[in-house]
Amino acid sequence: GIQVEQSPPDLILQEGANSTLRCNFSDSVNNLQWFHQNPWGQLINLFYIPSGTKQNGRLSATTVATERYSLLYISSSQTTDSGVYFCAVGFSGSRLTFGEGTQLTVNP
Amino acid sequence: DTEVTQTPKHLVMGMTNKKSLKCEQHMGHRAMYWYKQKAKKPPELMFVYSYEKLSINESVPSRFSPECPNSSLLNLHLHALQPEDSALYLCASSPLLGGKKPYEQYFGPGTRLTVT
Repeated sequence: GIQVEQSPPDLILQEGANSTLRCNFSDSVNNLQWFHQNPWGQLINLFYIPSGTKQNGRLSATTVATERYSLLYISSSQTTDSGVYFCAVGFSGSRLTFGEGTQLTVNP
Repeated sequence: DTEVTQTPKHLVMGMTNKKSLKCEQHMGHRAMYWYKQKAKKPPELMFVYSYEKLSINESVPSRFSPECPNSSLLNLHLHALQPEDSALYLCASSPLLGGKKPYEQYFGPGTRLTVT
């Protein structure tokens, strides 16, 4: 099946810093989503981005489908950005495969 | 409204109990999913219903029994569970019908299940 690798596995930042999270995948995809899982377990949709670039406030994402990677940028990080960031991809129908996630800690 | 609701939020059950988890969405989505998530691991797909029919079963043990009574509701019936089944159970839905994002999944808040 499709393989999804996220890096780095852990990231510790000071408030106000910028960061880049990476997601590599092993096959062509027709679905790519970035999620933020908060400490209570809720998975929050950040981006649906099988290709191209999108921005939403301090967050932006870029997927280069031909090179099979996606990047999530977080600027001016806040303590509320802490949690786990998952990349999930799908290449056939509705099945999503998740990466192992990046655990982000933002310290005040 | 992009809300998927799940009840209960927490559930503690013994190995001989029978219980059910419930998931509901009113977005008109035609695919619904059950995932299981253990601590510090990503969600793992269990079941997919498309147009109220079971389309994917990821070789889940029969002590987990899904049910989709209608296009808005998804249940997961539990019986004779083991302590290792303790996890966060997440429900999700996606549109399927046309549009630009037919497979975009929206998740509920989950049910934290503890099997004693």
